[in-house]
Amino acid sequence: AQTVTQSQPEMSVQEAETVTLSCTYDTSESDYYLFWYKQPPSRQMILVIRQEAYKQQNATENRFSVNFQKAAKSFSLKISDSQLGDTAMYFCAPPGGGADGLTFGKGTHLIIQP
Amino acid sequence: AAGVIQSPRHLIKEKRETATLKCYPIPRHDTVYWYQQGPGQDPQFLISFYEKMQSDKGSIPDRFSAQQFSDYHSELNMSSLELGDSALYFCASSLGAAPNYGYTFGSGTRLTVV
Repeated sequence: AQTVTQSQPEMSVQEAETVTLSCTYDTSESDYYLFWYKQPPSRQMILVIRQEAYKQQNATENRFSVNFQKAAKSFSLKISDSQLGDTAMYFCAPPGGGADGLTFGKGTHLIIQP
Repeated sequence: AAGVIQSPRHLIKEKRETATLKCYPIPRHDTVYWYQQGPGQDPQFLISFYEKMQSDKGSIPDRFSAQQFSDYHSELNMSSLELGDSALYFCASSLGAAPNYGYTFGSGTRLTVV
């Protein structure tokens, strides 16, 4: 079974600052994907970024990037130039193989202050 | 672009009643996942289907059952409802058993048991 640890229950930063959300996980899989999902107050689950474990290059999507360290099983999310609309719960999720469901971390509540 | 459609959006049931939640995946997606998210909790995986066959099973109570139909839509049937079943129920879909592009979530069904 997957285990996921997000050690920061809540973070608060000023608008335009850079913030990093941490995530560590445990898996016995060798080939897998990792995801960060965002859940704003609307409760919609929105895919932020994904990383393929066999790729050494860290994924980047506009202001969002990851620092993926496979050996350490660490998958942190960096948000640059943070915006008020980034305020949300952020969940880290490594899936298992095949059609396994996602195992989410407990989430980090990110608050962007004006 | 078409998204994952869940119905109903909101549902209020009394204890011991039965509820049926429906999920229509993105066209051509053949894998469906169900998640339960209690208040202030991370989403918990319930069950998944790939090509109309049950693929993976998580923390789904015996009172719940689900299936995927020939048109790939899925239904989650919940019987003998308890107050603790009150939660947001998400459906997600993906293409194939290897979710290269992540999972797309629906907007959820908010079930309230009174």
